[in-house]
Parts: sequence; C-alpha cells; structure tokens
Amino acid sequence: RKEVEQDPGPFNVPEGATVAFNCTYSNSASQSFFWYRQDCRKEPKLLMSVYSSGNEDGRFTAQLNRASQYISLLIRDSKLSDSATYLCVVNIQTGANNLFFGTGTRLTVIP
Amino acid sequence: EAGVVQSPRYKIIEKKQPVAFWCNPISGHNTLYWYRQNLGQGPELLIRYENEEAVDDSQLPKDRFSAERLKGVDSTLKIQPAELGDSAVYLCASSFRAGGSAFFGQGTRLTVV
Repeated sequence: RKEVEQDPGPFNVPEGATVAFNCTYSNSASQSFFWYRQDCRKEPKLLMSVYSSGNEDGRFTAQLNRASQYISLLIRDSKLSDSATYLCVVNIQTGANNLFFGTGTRLTVIP
Repeated sequence: EAGVVQSPRYKIIEKKQPVAFWCNPISGHNTLYWYRQNLGQGPELLIRYENEEAVDDSQLPKDRFSAERLKGVDSTLKIQPAELGDSAVYLCASSFRAGGSAFFGQGTRLTVV
C-alpha cells in the first residue's frame, strides 16, 4: 500500500469555482504534512504546510484530519494560473523520517 | 539567496553508458534528497543524506546507482550502466532539517536511448 494516495483527476473547473482535493495517508505516525504545486515540466514548489488546526493562505485552505488520516486542500475563486498538479506530501518521523509524495492531482481551470 | 542548483538540465545517453548528476543544496541545509519522477507520477525517494551520511538508501538500486556527499554540501548521483527504464527526471531537494519542508532544484531530465 502506498504511503500517500491521491485522486489523480483531472479536475476541470471554470474560473471562479471552488475546488477541493483530498489525500489519504496510511501511517498514523505521520507528523508533518504539506501541499506542493508542480507546473508542467517544472520542479515541485511548496504551496503550504498543513497544521493540525488547519490553515489558510489567501484563497487556499488546508485541513488535517488525523482521526481519518486525510488532508485536504481547498481553492476558492479559481484562477487560470492555478492550473497545475497538486502534490500531497507526508513526513513519517518514525523509521525513515522521509517525505513521501502522492502521485498528484491535476487541476485545469477553464476560462 | 540561491536555491537548489542542479546540473545538467538535460541529458541524453545511450543505454549501458554511465551518467552523473550534480546537486548543490541551499546553504545551511543539512538534509539532501535525491528523488526520481516518472511522467504522471509523484517524486519517489532514492536516497536521503543528513550532512555527509546516507541515512536512507533503501530505495536506491545499488547494483547500478551510487551517490555521494563527501563534504556534506554538494552531492553527486551516478548511474552505471544506464538502462532504458532509467529515463526520468532526477530531482534534488534540500531542507534545513529532516521532515521539514523541502526545496527542489529544477531537475535533470534523463533520456536513455
């Protein structure tokens, strides 16, 4: 079983729409959580960390549900420039203490 | 401040040839990762360094892949001999501490023909 699982999409949404992605993780010892954004043929870039109480950065809101072992990313008022692949990342601090990436969810915002 | 620097950006080699990738992490970042990313997939960890020590190389195919970070700063990943299935983007990332947010270089796109 993969450490991190995401729906690969694609999600095609109109400009101005609200879209949400979920990601599940398998190891309850996971301690740190992140969302990365990756544009086509570019490297992944940190979008935001995910905190236990949830956090917001402009139009982006991240939530963590430890009981159900999933994290979510909500994008409000989608812009054309939000089109990218969104990668869910989990750190498991026992044992490997590595960052594990999901396969990514592809988002296309349509004019 | 300079980000993670990788070279070369692109490499095309024939199968069975050797190839090497270089990475210079962000200054002060003790943790260095090498990832491999295939099309449509997320990055998969190959090896992680803490300073000069390879603390997790369990996913590195050791029959043909090797890596080093001799002075705990820049790092080299080598493949010898390369196979067709090694075609991928090889990404280097660094972080201040293990488990913290990581910052990626632009990657090396390897094509084995």
